[in-house]
Amino acid sequence: EAQVTQNPRYLITVTGKKLTVTCSQNMNHEYMSWYRQDPGLGLRQIYYSMNVEVTDKGDVPEGYKVSRKEKRNFPLILESPSPNQTSLYFCASRNRDGTNQPQHFGDGTRLSIL
Amino acid sequence: QQQVKQSPQSLIVQKGGISIINCAYENTAFDYFPWYQQFPGKGPALLIAIRPDVSEKKEGRFTISFNKSAKQFSLHIMDSQPGDSATYFCAAPRVPNNDMRFGAGTRLTVKP
Repeated sequence: EAQVTQNPRYLITVTGKKLTVTCSQNMNHEYMSWYRQDPGLGLRQIYYSMNVEVTDKGDVPEGYKVSRKEKRNFPLILESPSPNQTSLYFCASRNRDGTNQPQHFGDGTRLSIL
Repeated sequence: QQQVKQSPQSLIVQKGGISIINCAYENTAFDYFPWYQQFPGKGPALLIAIRPDVSEKKEGRFTISFNKSAKQFSLHIMDSQPGDSATYFCAAPRVPNNDMRFGAGTRLTVKP
């Protein structure tokens, strides 16, 4: 089954404790990205990756890091989480050829930073 | 920063009624406009999309209407069903990374 898998699905942690949210896709997609979803703000892009070793900032990259060492994986790293990063996070992937390719989203990771 | 403005923020419709959600966008790199549907506890999933070489696209009960000159497009759900209750996002292409920028979302509730 084609899917994007995120882990963990839920996490409650404290300010300053480094955390990583993993994302893996099995569709051989070149393009992957991370979004956060907040009420009234919709989906805002954090970082994206056009291919292995190629990443760039989205609209709200402050406080986040990413890496793309393998095509299938695109982890999101919060080096020193703060309460304003409490949110619902989604990883997505698509084929690179043209933006008119549907994005496939994971089921989300709900982070609470206390 | 390019904007995609979606309205209304929430919508309540009776079963069998028509749900209409609107979206307005600014300049884009090219023309492709999708709508995504999100159920609670799930990620968004592509519902329907349009290329504005046509003004309307219909798939079952779902229709996108597009007005290129006004830079607006809308989603119409005919004969709305309780199973359509979800959050809907419009999206528009953006520069420079040719990715999609999403609207703020509309929470649709269809009452039985």
